Amino acid sequence: EIVLTQSPDFQSVTPKEKVTITCRASQSIGSSLHWYQQKPDQSPKVIIKYASQSLSGVPSRFSGSGSGTDFTLTINSLEAEDAATYYCHQSSSLPHTFGQGTKLEIK
Amino acid sequence: EVQLVQSGAEVKKPGESLKISCKGSGHRLNNYWIGWVRQMPGKGLEWMGIIYLGDSDTRYSPSFQGQVTIFADKSISTAYLQWSSLKASDTAMYYCARMATLTSNFDYWGQGTLVTVSS
Repeated sequence: EIVLTQSPDFQSVTPKEKVTITCRASQSIGSSLHWYQQKPDQSPKVIIKYASQSLSGVPSRFSGSGSGTDFTLTINSLEAEDAATYYCHQSSSLPHTFGQGTKLEIK
Repeated sequence: EVQLVQSGAEVKKPGESLKISCKGSGHRLNNYWIGWVRQMPGKGLEWMGIIYLGDSDTRYSPSFQGQVTIFADKSISTAYLQWSSLKASDTAMYYCARMATLTSNFDYWGQGTLVTVSS
């Protein structure tokens, strides 16, 4: 089973800051890495697919990069509405797995 | 509009059985995989397993194999998650989510079904 390790677990940030969340896989997964945003009491929502592909309806301040074992989610110019927990998910091999999550708190 | 509609919250006692459902609304799920994801209170997302509604091909995470059963009825575009004997540790929110292929992302999610197991 592929283990995904995110860092940090928690980050407190101010609006307009740039935020970087990393996800490291225990073995190479190519680009089969996706990012989800989960706000309190809501279902997760995909915000980046296949490591770096943007999605319709997702603000352009969200971007992703990486391949192989190291991946990054970047949020440029953070907004208050970005307060959420972010998860990475690998679909390279079964069983799929999620990272443990990164909680973003807006100061 | 594509939606996954899950069955309502459940309160059960340890040892009881339970089946929760996930129905495709606004589209048919026959050509999609439906995955189940557990979220225990205050915790992260756990991938439980997945089923292809077209032919009921099912794959489980080793962590959940033998603990739950995933099945589907493609005639009504519905996937199910079933327990034969619930434990208190099964208390969690359970999400279903749609996937186009086994290597893609989850693109649509259900609203979640809260299962509470308590004596």
